[in-house]
Amino acid sequence: GAVVSQHPSRVICKSGTSVKIECRSLDFQATTMFWYRQFPKQSLMLMATSNEGSKATYEQGVEKDKFLINHASLTLSTLTVTSAHPEDSSFYICSARDWGISYEQYFGPGTRLTVT
Amino acid sequence: RKEVEQDPGPFNVPEGATVAFNCTYSNSASQSFFWYRQDCRKEPKLLMSVYSSGNEDGRFTAQLNRASQYISLLIRDSKLSDSATYLCVVKTRNDMRFGAGTRLTVKP
Repeated sequence: GAVVSQHPSRVICKSGTSVKIECRSLDFQATTMFWYRQFPKQSLMLMATSNEGSKATYEQGVEKDKFLINHASLTLSTLTVTSAHPEDSSFYICSARDWGISYEQYFGPGTRLTVT
Repeated sequence: RKEVEQDPGPFNVPEGATVAFNCTYSNSASQSFFWYRQDCRKEPKLLMSVYSSGNEDGRFTAQLNRASQYISLLIRDSKLSDSATYLCVVKTRNDMRFGAGTRLTVKP
């Protein structure tokens, strides 16, 4: 089946620094990728939808200047958490939509961010 | 009102028990419906799609009632390995919306 990878799987950073998370579709082209955030014991919350070659669409309440999304190719999207604060500590999961036959949406393994 | 609502549980059941989860959604334009399973600190994984006619996959049965905007998942003969959080997922044309999940623990 289709595979989506994320890197890094876990990152610890100091408050005020920026962190980049990569999301790759490994065996299919993903014109659309989604970024989710999940706090402990809560559901996945959609942060933004990114389409290859265009600006991301952010959900209400998500700061686009803080969470920078770049989807420069059909297989790679990046999320950069700028000037991270402890409240940004969360589980970040990307998913990629296969616009081929299956029209499925596949999830990456997630990145656990801890801001100290 | 949340777009997708689930009973958070937790459900603690013995092995072999039958357990049912419910979910309601608010967007009548929703097109597709799914149950995902999420293990602790892992990404969600598709368990099964849900159809109006009802569908079964082994010990798992899913039902959809579009008129009531209600989705259910039934697990029969539960196993220890079924312990996880079950997410109700509703898909519109452009994105997916997740319920908060129902935590299931199956005990020996």
